[in-house]
Amino acid sequence: DTAVSQTPKYLVTQMGNDKSIKCEQNLGHDTMYWYKQDSKKFLKIMFSYNNKELIINETVPNRFSPKSPDKAHLNLHINSLELGDSAVYFCASSQVEHSPLHFGNGTRLTVT
Amino acid sequence: KQEVTQIPAALSVPEGENLVLNCSFTDSAIYNLQWFRQDPGKGLTSLLLIQSSQREQTSGRLNASLDKSSGRSTLYIAASQPGDSATYLCAAAAGNLIFGKGTKLSVKP
Repeated sequence: DTAVSQTPKYLVTQMGNDKSIKCEQNLGHDTMYWYKQDSKKFLKIMFSYNNKELIINETVPNRFSPKSPDKAHLNLHINSLELGDSAVYFCASSQVEHSPLHFGNGTRLTVT
Repeated sequence: KQEVTQIPAALSVPEGENLVLNCSFTDSAIYNLQWFRQDPGKGLTSLLLIQSSQREQTSGRLNASLDKSSGRSTLYIAASQPGDSATYLCAAAAGNLIFGKGTKLSVKP
């Protein structure tokens, strides 16, 4: 019973393509997040979202957009992929803001 | 702007040793300080969360301390085991969680 699951685990695609990463949590948490971990292992917040508010890190290009069909899902859509988008993307959730985060196992995106 | 630094970047110890991982943050206006471990190819697992009003938290062989005034937190691991080998990250909750780059720990049998 995986608490936070994301698919796919690996994603290899070419520049210019549009792709999506799915995330689901079965913890009943109110807040979900997307993080990006770059090649230097630095983990940075991209988005945080609850059923009321989407907070976007101002450094995230508008090619990235989160979509939440319901409280348990927060998918990440990426348009016009670039080489620099290659990274590991983590989905996470928490009961409320500032409570412990539960992470998915990550999606390794490689743009060629 | 909050910045989180972890020292050392990597640490190798023999099994059984007690060890301390360090974390410093620049802005003391935090809600809490969280410690995570990350295993290769996996997500992060939450270890300990210290509220800004607390000084320390303990879970099994792990003890985390927080000194807001000096902008420091430490993670103490007692009687280290090979299974403790992982990357340990601290994160300061100030608005969003701001992560350090982690300390890669290797415990040798």
